[in-house]
Amino acid sequence: KAGVTQTPRYLIKTRGQQVTLSCSPISGHRSVSWYQQTPGQGLQFLFEYFSETQRNKGNFPGRFSGRQFSNSRSEMNVSTLELGDSALYLCASSLVYRGGIDTEAFFGQGTRLTVV
Amino acid sequence: EDKVVQSPLSLVVHEGDTVTLNCSYEVTNFRSLLWYKQEKKAPTFLFMLTSSGIEKKSGRLSSILDKKELFSILNITATQTGDSAIYLCAVGGGGATNKLIFGTGTLLAVQP
Repeated sequence: KAGVTQTPRYLIKTRGQQVTLSCSPISGHRSVSWYQQTPGQGLQFLFEYFSETQRNKGNFPGRFSGRQFSNSRSEMNVSTLELGDSALYLCASSLVYRGGIDTEAFFGQGTRLTVV
Repeated sequence: EDKVVQSPLSLVVHEGDTVTLNCSYEVTNFRSLLWYKQEKKAPTFLFMLTSSGIEKKSGRLSSILDKKELFSILNITATQTGDSAIYLCAVGGGGATNKLIFGTGTLLAVQP
């Protein structure tokens, strides 16, 4: 079956602009999580969506936001871009955790965002 | 604050060597520990561990979890150049969420 699909693969934006990234999860997976990966900080959790609702949020400023659609596809948006937002943004899809039964997360190829 | 620490940060070995990568954690309501391999972009899943002392194996790779001492190891035997990658350790926990807390990774370079 198809894996996790992220678009676009690469983006170059100017400081102050905004950007929207897209993630299509594996068919049947209803949980979508977003991570930011930078050389200094590693992978840091941004937020998780399930059933079109944000279920958990990491320690990022309000400029980072997201949403999930009824088909489980998710988008994340970063407004007023800063140089420090340059990173690889990874999306992960999972079956939903149900008490006592854990599942692994599958990652997309990521979107490489460069802010100049 | 929840945290996951991996060691060493980087490692250079020769083909045929055996390596051990370490991961320690302090995470509220621990549920599972996962290992991923990242070569270029997408981390690919290796193992998920939930119980202490039960070794998981896949070919030349194996991993085990110690929930009392709060750590896990990933072993790779007879290393090959194709094993060169960043190895990531992640911990899931904290209730009804799929959130993962990652370590910064171990960069493994296998030389011919």
